[in-house]
Amino acid sequence: QVQLRQSGPGLVKPSQTLSVTCEISGDSVSSDTAGWNWIRQSPSRGLEWLGRTSYRSEWYNEYATSVKSRIDINTDTSHNQFSLQLYSVSPEDTAVYYCARDGSGGLSFDYWGQGILVAVSS
Amino acid sequence: DIQMTQSPSSLSASEGDRVTITCRASQDIRNDLGWYQQTPGKAPKRLIFAAYILQSGVPSRFSGSGFGTEFTLTISSLQPEDLATYYCLQYNTFPLTFGGGTKVEI
Repeated sequence: QVQLRQSGPGLVKPSQTLSVTCEISGDSVSSDTAGWNWIRQSPSRGLEWLGRTSYRSEWYNEYATSVKSRIDINTDTSHNQFSLQLYSVSPEDTAVYYCARDGSGGLSFDYWGQGILVAVSS
Repeated sequence: DIQMTQSPSSLSASEGDRVTITCRASQDIRNDLGWYQQTPGKAPKRLIFAAYILQSGVPSRFSGSGFGTEFTLTISSLQPEDLATYYCLQYNTFPLTFGGGTKVEI
């Protein structure tokens, strides 16, 4: 059974970097059949996919147009986790952040983390 | 980016009613569509993928159909536990995009 457990600060100051980590159990971040995604949800923007990382002999990343210039998704194979960095945040980045796996059924998300509310405020 | 237009944005129905939610894609996505159910404070839960394949463990009163640009989620007999917000997701093309959601009230 795949489980995703998220961690990170609940409050980030404007212009700083938002960082959230997703620890994987029951699968591998280096799996060649899965992808690892970040999604956020806010009242103003609804559900918004932010990006994906996957390993197919090498690492591949895809990012949403809206955040492409200020996002990174990194992996830590030794701890079997992946992380989101969102740079230069503003209050509009306040949201619940989710990690999710796609591993069965195309790129649709079959397992989700519990979600973490990150507020951007001074 | 592919726009996913979901309708209605909310609906109220009675127990036992048949409920239909529609999602329209701004371009052809074949059958690369999933449906999700979200209850307050929880992560979305996948109900259907590939437009019509029921996720294991999901009640058979849920069904999906469609191909190309027009898709529907049907609840054949609404139950109290179906109170939730439902979202479609296209995963044909990056960036992946969600519909705006349909809140179902009973």
